[in-house]
Amino acid sequence: EIVMTQSPATLSLSPGETATLTCRASQSVSTYLAWYQQKPGQPPRLLIFDVSTRATGVPARFSAGGSETEFTLTINALQSEDFAIYYCQQYNNWPPVTFGQGTKVEIK
Amino acid sequence: QVQLQQWGTGLLKPSETLSLTCAVSGGSFVGYLWAWVRQSPGKGLEWIAEIDHSGGTNYNPSSRATVSLDMSKNQFSLTLDSVTAADSAVYYCTRRRLRPRYGPFDSWGQGTLVTVSS
Repeated sequence: EIVMTQSPATLSLSPGETATLTCRASQSVSTYLAWYQQKPGQPPRLLIFDVSTRATGVPARFSAGGSETEFTLTINALQSEDFAIYYCQQYNNWPPVTFGQGTKVEIK
Repeated sequence: QVQLQQWGTGLLKPSETLSLTCAVSGGSFVGYLWAWVRQSPGKGLEWIAEIDHSGGTNYNPSSRATVSLDMSKNQFSLTLDSVTAADSAVYYCTRRRLRPRYGPFDSWGQGTLVTVSS
């Protein structure tokens, strides 16, 4: 099973600042890496797939990159609606598909 | 735009059977894997199992679940026998692309809170 490790656990930032989130895989996941955003009481929402492709309707301030085992999600100029929990997920080596434990982006 | 609407029993006693159903509208079963994911405070997001339109299944090795599909009703279901408190979680139905290459979970149900308590 591929273990996904996210850091930091919590990121405290002000609106307008840039958030940089990291996700590490215990072994290579090639380009099968996704990022999700989750707000309280809602299901996860797909933001990024195949490492760097934005899902439909995702604003351009969300960008992502990386390869093999190290990946980042960057959110430029944080908006109020961006404060949420973000999860990475690998779908290269399964079963099982695995998720990271999440990074909470909170208002400072 | 595909929509997933799920329902099922929310409160169970230990040893009972969890049963959830997800109805799919606005999309075809073909070309996708139809999955169940659960979320608990202790274990985060956990993929349970998935099924394709032909009935092919994939299971988390740690799972006791059974997934099934009823294409005539545009529904798929999750059954989990002999539940314990550790099975308490929010359960989501979701889907991911099968071709041309496997994809992430791009549509989700609203979630069902399942609590196991005596």
